[in-house]
Amino acid sequence: DVKVTQSSRYLVKRTGEKVFLECVQDMDHENMFWYRQDPGLGLRLIYFSYDVKMKEKGDIPEGYSVSREKKERFSLILESASTNQTSMYLCASSFLGEKSEAFFGQGTRLTVV
Amino acid sequence: GNSVTQMEGPVTLSEEAFLTINCTYTATGYPSLFWYVQYPGEGLQLLLKATKADDKGSNKGFEATYRKETTSFHLEKGSVQVSDSAVYFCALTLNYGGSQGNLIFGKGTKLSVKP
Repeated sequence: DVKVTQSSRYLVKRTGEKVFLECVQDMDHENMFWYRQDPGLGLRLIYFSYDVKMKEKGDIPEGYSVSREKKERFSLILESASTNQTSMYLCASSFLGEKSEAFFGQGTRLTVV
Repeated sequence: GNSVTQMEGPVTLSEEAFLTINCTYTATGYPSLFWYVQYPGEGLQLLLKATKADDKGSNKGFEATYRKETTSFHLEKGSVQVSDSAVYFCALTLNYGGSQGNLIFGKGTKLSVKP
C-alpha cells in the first residue's frame, strides 16, 4: 500500500512564526506536491518537485518555500505565518509521467492565530 | 492556459438516483484525465482515470469517458448510495517541460445523497 504521511493532522500557530509541514512517501515516487484547499477555491498548487533538490513554483508560491533533500521527504515552509495562510494543506506524490495517479496524504489543517 | 471546469455544487440526490457531474478541460497537447474523491475528513483518492481519447475509466459503479472532440470527462453513476456522499474533483495532468505529472484540479463538486 502506498503511503503518504503528513506529520500533523491539526496545527495551531501564531502570526509571524516559522512553520514546517512535513510529508513523507514510501513508494519511491519522483514527483511530490503541496496543495492548499480552501472552500470555493478547490485545490491550488503551491510547489512541486520532480527530483531531489528540484522545485517548481505552482500557482500560489508567495509566502511559502519548500525543501527536498531526500527523495521520500518534501517539506513546506511558511517563512512568517499569516492569518490568510489558515487552510487545509495536502501533500501528494506520483511517479514521473502524465499517466501516473497521485497519492495524497490525510491533510494538515493549519490555523494561524 | 490549462484548466479544468466542473459543475458547481452542492448536488443533493436521493438514494438510487442517477448522477452526472460535468467536467470540461482546456489543455495543451494530450492530457490524461482523472476523477478523485474526498470523503469527509480524509485526503483525496483516485476514483478512475483515462489516458487517451475514447478511453472509459470505471470504478465502484462510476464511469467517465474521455471525449477529445468535446474536451469533456463527465462522471456518471447509475444508482448512487448514501456512502457516495463526498467531494468529487476532476483533474488533468500534462506532459511537457518539467511538468511531467503535474495535476491541475477543478474546484470540486460536493455530493450529498439522502436515504
